[in-house]
Amino acid sequence: KAGVTQTPRYLIKTRGQQVTLSCSPISGHRSVSWYQQTPGQGLQFLFEYFSETQRNKGNFPGRFSGRQFSNSRSEMNVSTLELGDSALYLCASSMDPGPYNEQFFGPGTRLTVL
Amino acid sequence: AQTVTQSQPEMSVQEAETVTLSCTYDTSESDYYLFWYKQPPSRQMILVIRQEAYKQQNATENRFSVNFQKAAKSFSLKISDSQLGDAAMYFCAYRSSSGTASKLTFGTGTRLQVTL
Repeated sequence: KAGVTQTPRYLIKTRGQQVTLSCSPISGHRSVSWYQQTPGQGLQFLFEYFSETQRNKGNFPGRFSGRQFSNSRSEMNVSTLELGDSALYLCASSMDPGPYNEQFFGPGTRLTVL
Repeated sequence: AQTVTQSQPEMSVQEAETVTLSCTYDTSESDYYLFWYKQPPSRQMILVIRQEAYKQQNATENRFSVNFQKAAKSFSLKISDSQLGDAAMYFCAYRSSSGTASKLTFGTGTRLQVTL
C-alpha cells in the first residue's frame, strides 16, 4: 500500500507570493492533518480535515488555509508569504479522526521563502 | 492547553547499549494518548510506540519500551540494544481522547546519536 505522498518536495518562493501544497493520503484514509515544522517553533498543528470539512484548526493566521477533496486528497495554501513561513510542512493521514487511529506522515514539503 | 516537554535536546548512546529519553506533559484531562515518534534524517516521521493513559501496563514494541507514570505526568522511552539505525530525532506527542480531533501536540524533540 502506498504511503502518504506530498508534492512538491521542495519549493522556493519570494515574499508576498502564495503557494499551494498537496497531500495524498493512504488509500482508504479519510482524515488528513497538516503540521508546520520549524527549528524555532518545532512541530505545530495547522488544521485537520475529514470528509471535506475542517474539523480543527491550530493557532495560525488566516493566510493559512486548506481544503479536502472528495477523494480525501488535501491541499493547503499560504497567501502573502513571509520569511517566517519557511518550514517543513508535514501531512498526516489516518483512517478516521478518532484519537486511537494511528497517523501516518508523509515526507513533507520543504518551503523556502526568500 | 496541553504542553509536552522534552528536556534533553541531544543524547548519545553506544551501539548495543540502552538509552532513555525523557518526556513530561501537562494536561487536566484524565484520558488521553501518548506517542513517541522517530524522525530520521530523511524526515519521514514514524510512530515508534503508543500508550493509552487508561492502561497501567507500560507499552513495549520489540527493543522500545516506555515508562509511563501518570501521576507524575512522565512518559520516557527506553531503547535497548541500540542500533545505528536508531539515530534520529525523537518526538514525544500527546493527543486528547475527547471528541474526535486528531491534533497531536509535540515536544521539541531529542536528537539521538548512536556511536560505534
